[in-house]
Amino acid sequence: DAGVIQSPRHEVTEMGQEVTLRCKPISGHDYLFWYRQTMMRGLELLIYFNNNVPIDDSGMPEDRFSAKMPNASFSTLKIQPSEPRDSAVYFCASSLREKLFFGSGTQLSVL
Amino acid sequence: DQQVKQNSPSLSVQEGRISILNCDYTNSMFDYFLWYKKYPAEGPTFLISISSIKDKNEDGRFTVFLNKSAKHLSLHIVPSQPGDSAVYFCAASPSGYSTLTFGKGTMLLVSP
Repeated sequence: DAGVIQSPRHEVTEMGQEVTLRCKPISGHDYLFWYRQTMMRGLELLIYFNNNVPIDDSGMPEDRFSAKMPNASFSTLKIQPSEPRDSAVYFCASSLREKLFFGSGTQLSVL
Repeated sequence: DQQVKQNSPSLSVQEGRISILNCDYTNSMFDYFLWYKKYPAEGPTFLISISSIKDKNEDGRFTVFLNKSAKHLSLHIVPSQPGDSAVYFCAASPSGYSTLTFGKGTMLLVSP
């Protein structure tokens, strides 16, 4: 299995632009998570899905952030409009049981 | 309020010696604990876990100890190797199927 696949690996954009991060979970996993890593806050859970249904989005910082999972093999995290404080590494992870498998992350820089 | 705390941002150890990484938690509902290792430009990878019914779990050079009364767990790496140099995240969950709460991580540097 190729593991959790995230794209793009790096994204540089200007403030105010829309950013879309993509994730393909491991086949057969029924949970999908979006995390954000920053120096100040470490790994924060933004939102997670179970069987494609959003279960808890209380970690989403603002209405500028939205996430979708249209099917079992694809999820997106969108930031619109983006701001410099959104600069971070965004990780997608999937799981079948308690162990999470993470993608390599998307390094987002908002100038 | 951080429910999982890793108070040491970094740790330096010599090759062959023991590395001890510490983690404290505040939520008494946590009963499943994991350690993840993260190399630069990669996602965290699962290392070892322990449930609250145990106080120790061992896997090769890695041992995790859990002290429920003190709400403290530690990861021991013996002997430490340069390839162990990475950021180590402690994580906790109220049950095996719930979301994980992560600490901020401890960067371990093992020097030859």
